[in-house]
Amino acid sequence: DVKVTQSSRYLVKRTGEKVFLECVQDMDHENMFWYRQDPGLGLRLIYFSYDVKMKEKGDIPEGYSVSREKKERFSLILESASTNQTSMYLCASSTPGTGVDTQYFGPGTRLTVL
Amino acid sequence: GESVGLHLPTLSVQEGDNSIINCAYSNSASDYFIWYKQESGKGPQFIIDIRSNMDKRQGQRVTVLLNKTVKHLSLQIAATQPGDSAVYFCAENRGPSGYSTLTFGKGTMLLVSP
Repeated sequence: DVKVTQSSRYLVKRTGEKVFLECVQDMDHENMFWYRQDPGLGLRLIYFSYDVKMKEKGDIPEGYSVSREKKERFSLILESASTNQTSMYLCASSTPGTGVDTQYFGPGTRLTVL
Repeated sequence: GESVGLHLPTLSVQEGDNSIINCAYSNSASDYFIWYKQESGKGPQFIIDIRSNMDKRQGQRVTVLLNKTVKHLSLQIAATQPGDSAVYFCAENRGPSGYSTLTFGKGTMLLVSP
């Protein structure tokens, strides 16, 4: 089974803090993704990566950055957390080659910024 | 169907009934579609996918129907069980296989009462 793990299930931070959300997958997947999920807005893509040291902006990259130094790990960084970044953050991974790029998700990190 | 505003559409069924969850998609060039199930407090879980050259695909207790003429997708769950209670999302791909991202619908909540 594909396993995607996220470093924290719940996180509480203060406005202005630098926040790191870590994601690790154990299936040697090339592609990794970060989403945020908010009521009424569904899942929105923040950043994604097709390979180590590569990154692409998603639909809502403002206020975020990412790092992919190793294939299995994809980090989401909030340089200066703000209250409007309070959300559920979901990481996913996929691998090409089957014609359907099924994404497999981690359990999510619920981040509260006070 | 897909949600508008802040309220998630909800489908309430009795245990043992068949459930049909609908989804309208936007891109006629999408190559494949995926249904995900998200239980409370968990990340989305893959259920079934269908490629655009198919109009029906069956899994265990689930069937996905694709109508490209009206850009409509449905997920049918046979003999619905309380464990099926969750939010269900459809997703369509953007970009070529291997380098694609997914666009998610806003979800439908399925409530199964015993």
